[in-house]
Amino acid sequence: QSVLAQPPSMSGAPGQGVTISCTGSFSNIGAGYDVHWYQQLPGTAPKLLIYENKYRPSGVPDRFSGSKSGTSASLAISGLQAEDEADYYCQSYDSSLGDYVFGAGTKVTVL
Amino acid sequence: EVKLVEFGGGLVEPGRSLRLSCTTSGFRFSDYAMSWFRQAPGKGLEWVGFIRGKPFGGTTDYAASVRGRCSISIDDYKGIAYLQLNSLKTEDTAVYFCSRGRRQYCSGGNCYSNGFDFWGQGTMVTVSS
Repeated sequence: QSVLAQPPSMSGAPGQGVTISCTGSFSNIGAGYDVHWYQQLPGTAPKLLIYENKYRPSGVPDRFSGSKSGTSASLAISGLQAEDEADYYCQSYDSSLGDYVFGAGTKVTVL
Repeated sequence: EVKLVEFGGGLVEPGRSLRLSCTTSGFRFSDYAMSWFRQAPGKGLEWVGFIRGKPFGGTTDYAASVRGRCSISIDDYKGIAYLQLNSLKTEDTAVYFCSRGRRQYCSGGNCYSNGFDFWGQGTMVTVSS
């Protein structure tokens, strides 16, 4: 069972938007540790998509946005495109475990 | 261009040891933390361990699942990070990724890596008799 809770799957038609939630606790997100999001396309390595809750690395389209509030964070994808079909993971640090922790991942399907 | 490439995966018998290498290029290696992650077949990402960059003491931390069996080291001169995993178990079967820590900061007596920005392509480790 993952420390950070994510929905296992989400889907949307091309052009629509989806928002993926990442729920933690007072020992990780709620303790003030930043949340980062990674995109993993099938058969490839993870790619940093959002860092420090809301910032996009160079080259990441502005269709991707992140936010954080309290013990939760969200990744919003607007204007879904076929190439957005991937697994998305949130990640933070947990002070109780002393570990970098991930959500179990959300599989996004573009219908 | 930042590049990370892992080597050393393969089929290993339970109880044996394995050392993985992560060769890097395109950045000043000693300034950054390096971390190892793994992903069991069909499963999510799991942090394995990490070594802080030299400016932050070069110390290591490990996940509870591998603590006591795992050792991360670096060769600063060659820009290589190593993962040694001992007493291998079948549940260690996974693709192992190395990654660069994006930004290190210290707070409350500990130093952290705030996100992991570049990843290798991964190397598969299968533990089976």
